[in-house]
Order: sequence, then C-alpha cells, then structure tokens
Amino acid sequence: GENVEQHPSTLSVQEGDSAVIKCTYSDSASNYFPWYKQELGKGPQLIIDIRSNVGEKKDQRIAVTLNKTAKHFSLHITETQPEDSAVYFCAASTDNYGQNFVFGPGTRLSVLP
Amino acid sequence: DTGVSQNPRHKITKRGQNVTFRCDPISEHNRLYWYRQTLGQGPEFLTYFQNEAQLEKSRLLSDRFSAERPKGSFSTLEIQRTEQGDSAMYLCASRLAGQTFPYNEQFFGPGTRLTVL
Repeated sequence: GENVEQHPSTLSVQEGDSAVIKCTYSDSASNYFPWYKQELGKGPQLIIDIRSNVGEKKDQRIAVTLNKTAKHFSLHITETQPEDSAVYFCAASTDNYGQNFVFGPGTRLSVLP
Repeated sequence: DTGVSQNPRHKITKRGQNVTFRCDPISEHNRLYWYRQTLGQGPEFLTYFQNEAQLEKSRLLSDRFSAERPKGSFSTLEIQRTEQGDSAMYLCASRLAGQTFPYNEQFFGPGTRLTVL
C-alpha cells in the first residue's frame, strides 16, 4: 500500500522568511496530493492541493510542487506570519477504491515574531 | 467551519465501556470517511461509506469497532469494550464523489477526542 514520508518533523522560521516542507510517496498510482493545516483542537483544513497532471500550483503565499518521476512533492510558504504556525500534513490518494487519503506524519511549523 | 460536525467533541470513558460518536457531513456529500489520529501522527484511514454502503474497512478497524450510515446521511462510529489504546482523535470527513466531480477534496470535521482511563 501507499506510504507517505514527510520532513522535517519540526520547523522554526522567523516571521517573513520562507518555509519548505517535503513529502515522498511510494505508490506511483497516486494522483492527488492535498496539504492540510491543523490548528490545536481543530480538524485538518485543506490549504492547497495538486493533481498529478500538474507540476506546480500557487495560491497567494502558498505553492505546491510535484515531481512525479521522483515521487515527491513540496509545500512552500513565503512571507510567513505568526498565524501560519500549526501542524501541516501532506497526503496522497489514488482513484482506486474509495480515494481515501494516506497522510504523512506531519510537520510542526513555528513562526517566530 | 467546514460544514462537517462531530459530537461529542470530547469523551472520557473507563476501560471496558462502550462509546458512540456521531458525524454529520455536508448535506449533499455522498461519501463519508472515518479516520483516527493519535498524538503527533497524521490521520489514519478507518473506513468509508458511499451513501449508506460501507465499502472499505482498514485493518485498524478491529471487531470492536462498528460504523453505520443509515439513510446515507449522518454516521455513527461505535467502539465496544474500549481499551486504553483506543485513546485518540476520531475524525470524520466528507466529499462529493461522482463522474462530474473528479476532485478528491475531503472536508474534515473538528473531531472527537476520546480518552480511555
């Protein structure tokens, strides 16, 4: 089955700097890669996603890149703000079965003012 | 607020007791998922429903766990004879699946945190 790894597990950056979180996946059939942000006591919320027919997607300060050949994808946050502090999860899914997600273990991002 | 609600938000129980959680998905969503999240980990898939049919169960879903989605609306997850290892956040997610909706986005509820003493 699919296995998703995520690095780093914790990341501290100064406000205004950029943050990059990287994930790798194992199943070449995976074709949808969402990123979720989870704040304390809340459920995960989608912040950006990418399908396998696209190499890059950007939404304001957030971007995701996908390298299908290497089976890795990355989240880039520019001009970080204290409210970006949270746990970020990457995930992968395929069109097979129920399209359930396999999540990475998460990255705790701290943006220091 | 994603539109997916879960109740209760917190549940404390003693080992051996039964507990039931409820998830109300976004009303038009035909697919409903249950995940379990332990401290410091990502959510892990448990099971999912297409309308009222339970179509897949993870090996994580032992015989003590049962889920239902009567009439294809809300869903319940019951854990019988709870064990300390069941302590976790139980998350529900929903989405609209079909030929004209190729996007896989799942909307998560706030979760139910279970503590088994």
